[in-house]
Amino acid sequence: EVHLVESGGGFIQPGGSLGLSCVGSGFSFSDHEMNWVRQVPGKGLEWLSYISSTGNTQYYADSVKGRFTISRDNAKNSLYLQMSSLRAEDTATYYCATRTGGLVWGQGTTVTVSS
Amino acid sequence: DIQMTQSPSSLSASVGDTVTITCRASQGIDNYLAWYQQKPGKAPKSLIYAASYLESGVPSKFSGSRSGTDFILTISSLQPEDFATYFCQQYHSFPWTFGQGTGVEIK
Repeated sequence: EVHLVESGGGFIQPGGSLGLSCVGSGFSFSDHEMNWVRQVPGKGLEWLSYISSTGNTQYYADSVKGRFTISRDNAKNSLYLQMSSLRAEDTATYYCATRTGGLVWGQGTTVTVSS
Repeated sequence: DIQMTQSPSSLSASVGDTVTITCRASQGIDNYLAWYQQKPGKAPKSLIYAASYLESGVPSKFSGSRSGTDFILTISSLQPEDFATYFCQQYHSFPWTFGQGTGVEIK
């Protein structure tokens, strides 16, 4: 069974940087494309970024392009999201997710950007 | 970007009712459409993928259908555990996009 666990969330001031991690288990991580999706409290879902199974291809939402970087380490079954130039509107719960049929999600990690 | 317009934004229903939720894609997405259920404080859970395929372990009371660019989630015989928020998502092309969500509440 696919299991994803995110970590790294926290409180950060505007303009700061933060790195999120996601560890996968119960599946062949290196064969799976991965994504980051976020949800503002009480609001909808926003896809942020995709990375191919090999890490060679990445896509980003316009809202984070140039500020966020997705990466992975298949040897560690790990996915990363490096976030910089953080803004108040980046405050959200961040999920890593992989598509089997639909998306399978981790439990999320919360990022709060505030002065 | 492909816009997913989900309706209604909320609905009230009674235990035992059958409800339908619709998502309309702004352009053709073939069957690249998934439906998710989300309960407060929890991550979304996939119910349906490829418009009409039920995820393993999801009860058959949930069903999905497509008519052109309109996608419908039907939930039959509502039970207390079904009261939640439901989202659609297209994965036809990046950026993947979600509907705004439908809150299903107890009448």
